[in-house]
Amino acid sequence: QKEVEQDPGPLSVPEGAIVSLNCTYSNSAFQYFMWYRQYSRKGPELLMYTYSSGNKEDGRFTAQVDKSSKYISLFIRDSQPSDSATYLCAMRGNAGNMLTFGGGTRLMVKP
Amino acid sequence: ETGVTQTPRHLVMGMTNKKSLKCEQHLGHNAMYWYKQSAKKPLELMFVYNFKEQTENNSVPSRFSPECPNSSHLFLHLHTLQPEDSALYLCASAPTGQGGIGSNQPQHFGDGTRLSIL
Repeated sequence: QKEVEQDPGPLSVPEGAIVSLNCTYSNSAFQYFMWYRQYSRKGPELLMYTYSSGNKEDGRFTAQVDKSSKYISLFIRDSQPSDSATYLCAMRGNAGNMLTFGGGTRLMVKP
Repeated sequence: ETGVTQTPRHLVMGMTNKKSLKCEQHLGHNAMYWYKQSAKKPLELMFVYNFKEQTENNSVPSRFSPECPNSSHLFLHLHTLQPEDSALYLCASAPTGQGGIGSNQPQHFGDGTRLSIL
């Protein structure tokens, strides 16, 4: 079993839709949770960064962490074609700064 | 502009060649990382440096040799690579917390070097 599971997609939605991206994990020591966006031919770009359980909102993006279920989500409201990319979840424990990544979900937002 | 610059962006080499990948960060960070990203696989951590000292080698074959002359520069020296080494190689940096333990700040990535082994 992979330490972090993420549906690879592709996920295709129409412009304006609400998108839900998810990851599940098995290591209860994970405390910091991140979402990165990666466009084709580019490196991962940090979108959201949260600590422990709860919600965090930044513009059209909302990150949710449910540690009891070992489940994290990224919601994108009013999705745009420019949101088309691969979204990577990443997480780590309290000690050190080594991240464990999911395999990424490819999102396509169609005009 | 992410503050982490990788060169070259693309590299094609034969299995007997020797080449080097370069990473430079302008963020004042003290931790630097090499990752390998292959198609349909999660990012694989290869090496970690904190304050120029290697603190992690994730069972990487010796044909990959990292070098960190200072906290701003990181190299990955390549020799006698195999076709399965073709991938996107990503560099990242992050602040280091007290006592060399990771801070609560995230990693920032460069745009990677796309490596193809013939």
